Amino acid sequence: KNEVEQSPQNLTAQEGEFITINCSYSVGISALHWLQQHPGGGIVSLFMLSSGKKKHGRLIATINIQEKHSSLHITASHPRDSAVYICAVRAISGGSYIPTFGRGTSLIVHP
Amino acid sequence: ETGVTQSPTHLIKTRGQQVTLRCSSQSGHNTVSWYQQALGQGPQFIFQYYREEENGRGNFPPRFSGLQFPNYSSELNVNALELDDSALYLCASSLRQENTEAFFGQGTRLTVV
Repeated sequence: KNEVEQSPQNLTAQEGEFITINCSYSVGISALHWLQQHPGGGIVSLFMLSSGKKKHGRLIATINIQEKHSSLHITASHPRDSAVYICAVRAISGGSYIPTFGRGTSLIVHP
Repeated sequence: ETGVTQSPTHLIKTRGQQVTLRCSSQSGHNTVSWYQQALGQGPQFIFQYYREEENGRGNFPPRFSGLQFPNYSSELNVNALELDDSALYLCASSLRQENTEAFFGQGTRLTVV
């Protein structure tokens, strides 16, 4: 079982819909990242969270440390939001660390 | 654009050959991490370098090795290539502090035939 599980694996939406992607993890962490990967490979960091909630434009990320769960929300989705969204965690460690990634959620938003 | 540059963007190699991939870090970043991403999978951590020393390694065999240079640019070397090494290789640069953001390059797509 992967230490980081994402759901759903694939998601299709119509433009304007509210979207939620979930991430659950099984290790103690110092931070959680939400990443966006477009076709072609490049990865963009959307959020880094260690507690609470962050908002950037139409994107909102929340984390519940006690429940080991995070969500990424997209309000008023748009076709340009189509991408793979990846959750990654940094395990608690004083020095070196091994970041662990989920397998990603593939999102397609239709016009 | 993140300021992290990887080269080459695409590469085809034959099984058994050796390959070197390169990464130029974001200005001011002293830490670089390398990841392997197979098709349809999330990235897997290969190793991290901080100030020219390996500072953490994932579950990859010794034929995966790296270097970090004084200007913090980095190389990933893979010897004795296997078909399963075909993947997207990503590097990310960051500051040493744990809870700082990492900036990713566009990746190198390696195909082993």
